[in-house]
Amino acid sequence: GENVEQHPSTLSVQEGDSAVIKCTYSDSASNYFPWYKQELGKRPQLIIDIRSNVGEKKDQRIAVTLNKTAKHFSLHITETQPEDSAVYFCAARSGSSNTGKLIFGQGTTLQVKP
Amino acid sequence: NAGVTQTPKFRVLKTGQSMTLLCAQDMNHEYMYWYRQDPGMGLRLIHYSVGEGTTAKGEVPDGYNVSRLKKQNFLLGLESAAPSQTSVYFCASSIHRDRLTDTQYFGPGTRLTVL
Repeated sequence: GENVEQHPSTLSVQEGDSAVIKCTYSDSASNYFPWYKQELGKRPQLIIDIRSNVGEKKDQRIAVTLNKTAKHFSLHITETQPEDSAVYFCAARSGSSNTGKLIFGQGTTLQVKP
Repeated sequence: NAGVTQTPKFRVLKTGQSMTLLCAQDMNHEYMYWYRQDPGMGLRLIHYSVGEGTTAKGEVPDGYNVSRLKKQNFLLGLESAAPSQTSVYFCASSIHRDRLTDTQYFGPGTRLTVL
């Protein structure tokens, strides 16, 4: 089955710097890759997603890149702000499954220092 | 439009007790999911449902049962709770995967402690 590895587990950056979180997946049939942000005590919320027919997607300060050959995808946050501090999860959905199941990475705790 | 709701928000059980967690969604979503979240382990899928009357096992189904008698509700049951089931439980729902969007929307979570 699908396996998703996420790195790093913790990341600390200075306000205004960029942050990059990387994920690798094992199932070459995976075709949908969402990123979720979870603030302390809150529910995970989708911040950006990318499909396998696209190499890059951007939404203001957030961007995601996908390398299908290497089976990895990354989240890039530019000009970080204290409110970006949260746990971020990547996920992958297998294209061979009709269930919509997502396999999540272990999460990255991002701390943005003012 | 409440989205995805979960009851209860918190619960403390003794080992061996049983309980049912309720998830409800008002978005007419076909697919529903139950996850557990433990520190350092991300979100792990317990059971899921692709439609009313259907359920299937996820990554960590042992010790749990589910039912989807109505499209809008997905119930997660613990028949005999164990301390290893201490966790935060999230329910999620999504529209059918053939649509352009298949975002999973999460409920607020249930924090369960088993003593």
